[in-house]
Amino acid sequence: NAGVTQTPKFQVLKTGQSMTLQCAQDMNHEYMSWYRQDPGMGLRLIHYSVGAGITDQGEVPNGYNVSRSTTEDFPLRLLSAAPSQTSVYFCASSPGPLLPTDTQYFGPGTRLTVL
Amino acid sequence: RKEVEQDPGPFNVPEGATVAFNCTYSNSASQSFFWYRQDCRKEPKLLMSVYSSGNEDGRFTAQLNRASQYISLLIRDSKLSDSATYLCVVNPRRGGYQKVTFGTGTKLQVIP
Repeated sequence: NAGVTQTPKFQVLKTGQSMTLQCAQDMNHEYMSWYRQDPGMGLRLIHYSVGAGITDQGEVPNGYNVSRSTTEDFPLRLLSAAPSQTSVYFCASSPGPLLPTDTQYFGPGTRLTVL
Repeated sequence: RKEVEQDPGPFNVPEGATVAFNCTYSNSASQSFFWYRQDCRKEPKLLMSVYSSGNEDGRFTAQLNRASQYISLLIRDSKLSDSATYLCVVNPRRGGYQKVTFGTGTKLQVIP
């Protein structure tokens, strides 16, 4: 099993550009999520999905879109990149809604810089 | 008050020492608690869930104090490989997902 994979690992964008961060998991998990991690702050939930075709907003959704057409894939789209979106982005998946028995698996992260 | 608070450290401890971290949470209805470990520039990985009665996994012991609203992580016989940042994670609602909150992490440095 590859677990959770993310591409690209690094990306530099100019303000106003758009791009898609890819995320895939091969564990047949229903729950997937996108977080951003900034210095001095905990991971913050951007968007999440509880199954194919179902997505919802997290704490910091503005400027990002998601879709979940398959169980495996959960791409994150930046609509018009801004310097405030410079961050490390983690995709994660879990078999359930983070009950004590649910392990959340994270991808290796995408380091995004917006100039 | 932040929803989840951790002392950022760093905690510098010698090999073989015992070290403990606390994490306080503000939502008394919180139901699920976890400790994750994050190595520098890597993804977080689950270290252990925290159960009401406390639980142990080798050198690691996690405890929950609902009255005072904190969880703790105790590491015995520290190894160099324990050097990392330890994140506490709180899920405030049984079956919920939207409000899962990560602490900012406590950095541990184990020195030879």
